[in-house]
Parts: sequence; C-alpha cells; structure tokens
Amino acid sequence: ILNVEQSPQSLHVQEGDSTNFTCSFPSSNFYALHWYRWETAKSPEALFVMTLNGDEKKKGRISATLNTKEGYSYLYIKGSQPEDSATYLCARTTGTASKLTFGTGTRLQVTL
Amino acid sequence: DTAVSQTPKYLVTQMGNDKSIKCEQNLGHDTMYWYKQDSKKFLKIMFSYNNKELIINETVPNRFSPKSPDKAHLNLHINSLELGDSAVYFCASSQAAVDTQYFGPGTRLTVL
Repeated sequence: ILNVEQSPQSLHVQEGDSTNFTCSFPSSNFYALHWYRWETAKSPEALFVMTLNGDEKKKGRISATLNTKEGYSYLYIKGSQPEDSATYLCARTTGTASKLTFGTGTRLQVTL
Repeated sequence: DTAVSQTPKYLVTQMGNDKSIKCEQNLGHDTMYWYKQDSKKFLKIMFSYNNKELIINETVPNRFSPKSPDKAHLNLHINSLELGDSAVYFCASSQAAVDTQYFGPGTRLTVL
C-alpha cells in the first residue's frame, strides 16, 4: 500500500444497524493514525488518535482499532443513528512530521 | 468560543486578482496548517507552520504564500488567481506534530 486508502467508498445502512469501515496505510515509518468525522458543510471533527499497535479507542457508540504491523485500522459504529451520517476520514502521520495524509473517506448514510 | 476561525467564509473573485484568507486559533497551539479540498472532496495539505516557522511546504504553486505574524495566526495569500484555485480551503491547528488537528469552518473560494 502506497497511500492511505479507505473502503468502502460509501455505505448506506438502516437505523440500528452496526457497521464498520477500513483504513489501510503503509506500515513503514508509522507514527499515528487519526480518525475524523466530517459532516456536509461543516469542518472535520476529530474522533480518535492512535499510535500503538493494538490500540483500541471508544467514544460512545463509535470505536476504532489499530494494527500498525499490517497497516490497517477499523472504525466501528454500533447501532447506527441518522445523526451518524457523515464522511469518516482516516489520516496517517509518519515519523515526527506533522503532515496528515488523508484517505478519501467513507461516506456513511443512515436512514430510518 | 470559536477555536479555529477563518475569514471570509465565502470569497468570489475574478481571475488574476490577489486575495487573502485569514486564520486565527485561540487554542494556544504551536502548529497551524492550510489544506485544500479539491473537486473530488479530497483534503490535501498545503502548508504547515510551527511557532511561525514553515515546516511543511507541499508542491503548491508559488502564487500561494502563507504568512504567520504570530503563532495564533496563519494567513494565506494567493496572487494572480486562476480558475483552478476554486476550492474550499481549511485552516487547522494542533499542539504538537502528531496531536489531533482542529479545523476551521473552511473558506469557499470561487474564481470567475
């Protein structure tokens, strides 16, 4: 993997469904993995920053895991609600650089 | 209180003009960034400043010049605007290189 890649590109689920998406990234020179939530016409909002292999973070119904050796992170949403509808971005930093390299995002739509 | 603010929110201008976008953060962060959201909704880093010093300068045309009068401000000046400069520009800040970045509301630039 040369860049930060996210899948699926978009996802449509029913209210109450649980869902998950993937962020894949180059495992070399890894420093940190960020997840952001980005609602239409708003600015990206930070969800998690993870640095250690095996890290798991949780915020309400949303959780994330990190595997730095194989270069992937999963974001899980339990019991999706319409207000979860947004684009979920992951981004990687390398070394001590402050540069975030973003994936193209997973667009989630939750309907009633 | 707004953490990261940008002005203006919308900017419509003619090709060839020079314009500036201002960014201010009241979080006491040391590092500030400019991102461009391209036509495919992809967020790409343009510049990063740490304590008023340029630390990241991606391959951005030199018509774009960031200026940081102090660590709470990072302004973006664009000379000789072109149609392709039309995009949403986001400012962000973080305390340290790998910390969560906080984004401003974005400035939608339209070049006619």
